[in-house]
Amino acid sequence: QVQLQESGPGLVKPSGTLSLTCTVSGDSISSSHWWGWIRQPPGKGLEWVGYIHYSGSTYYNPSLMSRVTMSIDTSKNQFSLRVTSVSALDTAVYYCARNYGGNSYYDFWGQGTLVTVSS
Amino acid sequence: QSALTQPPSVSGSPGQSVTISCIGSSSDVGNYNRVSWYQQPPGTAPKLMIYDVSYRPSGVPDRFSGSKSGNTASLTISGLQAEDEADYYCSSYTSSSTMMFGGGTKLTVL
Repeated sequence: QVQLQESGPGLVKPSGTLSLTCTVSGDSISSSHWWGWIRQPPGKGLEWVGYIHYSGSTYYNPSLMSRVTMSIDTSKNQFSLRVTSVSALDTAVYYCARNYGGNSYYDFWGQGTLVTVSS
Repeated sequence: QSALTQPPSVSGSPGQSVTISCIGSSSDVGNYNRVSWYQQPPGTAPKLMIYDVSYRPSGVPDRFSGSKSGNTASLTISGLQAEDEADYYCSSYTSSSTMMFGGGTKLTVL
């Protein structure tokens, strides 16, 4: 069974950088799948952030592209998210998930981690 | 990119059927059979219910079905049960090689 687990600080200061890591078990991050981040502000809907392939290819939400970077560490079977210049609007539950084969559906999700942007 | 359009809420009584629509454009829903649906009870992570417009993952009851016509995808839940009460989201691949979600629909079982 594929499992994903998000980790990282739960509190980030405004104008700072949000950094999260997703650890994958039960599947190789070097497989044909893509690995993505989805976020959900409190009481609101899901927002696609982006996804990454082990080759290094990435696609990001155009509205976040200037502030988002994703990376992958095949030796640790992990992938990461960085969002710079954060504001209160970036406060959300952040989910990592596996995108089956790319341009497709998310079949396995992490439990999500709440990141609050506040001073 | 704008979110796919879903009704904010739908409701039905146990045993009835409900349909949730997901309106996109020719740049996403209308041009790709890469539409998926997710169920999210309060406080939990989303769960895949339908993929590639109309396929059900193993373990999803056959009461859940999906379809697409033009730029609109639909999720139908038949034989409504109390446990179906949750938020539902559609998602689609886009011509920009990105993904997008709908705004979500809250299903209430009366």
